[in-house]
Amino acid sequence: KQEVTQIPAALSVPEGENLVLNCSFTDSAIYNLQWFRQDPGKGLTSLLLIQSSQREQTSGRLNASLDKSSGRSTLYIAASQPGDSATYLCALGTSYGKLTFGQGTILTVHP
Amino acid sequence: ETGVTQSPTHLIKTRGQQVTLRCSSQSGHNTVSWYQQALGQGPQFIFQYYREEENGRGNFPPRFSGLQFPNYSSELNVNALELDDSALYLCASKDYGAGGTGELFFGEGSRLTVL
Repeated sequence: KQEVTQIPAALSVPEGENLVLNCSFTDSAIYNLQWFRQDPGKGLTSLLLIQSSQREQTSGRLNASLDKSSGRSTLYIAASQPGDSATYLCALGTSYGKLTFGQGTILTVHP
Repeated sequence: ETGVTQSPTHLIKTRGQQVTLRCSSQSGHNTVSWYQQALGQGPQFIFQYYREEENGRGNFPPRFSGLQFPNYSSELNVNALELDDSALYLCASKDYGAGGTGELFFGEGSRLTVL
């Protein structure tokens, strides 16, 4: 059974800092990994998708890496802004589509 | 905007009642899945439908049931509501095919409160 852990549970940083969010998983037989952003009371916005055969993906100030051998993924956010404040969730996907989520990291970027 | 729409956005029910939540998938997506997200938790997989057939189910009792229609819209039905069913219910769709990346796109969710 896949288990996903995200560390830290909450993070508060000043604007402009670079930061790293961590995601670890127990079963390396994954199909893909997705990082999502969730604003309070809202749905999930897909940020990055990494296929099992890939090592990293980049979109703007975001970079996500995947290391299946160690069961880890990181989401790097460069030059953080107050608008980045949200909950960030990582999810491991199977070939038929089921996602297993971590509990998320609550990020606060203060001016 | 993901193109996945859900209704209603909020609703309140009492214990023992039944509820139906609706989802309209993104155009071209033939697979829909439903997730339950309790407050402060990550979403939990309920089930998935592909071409009107359930093809995956999480650890949820049979009183959670679903339908997918020929136009790929979907319903989640929950019978005999319990207090613990209070949660945000998320619908997600994707294109399950050779050209699809497997990326899931989520709607804004339906917030269910059971009193």
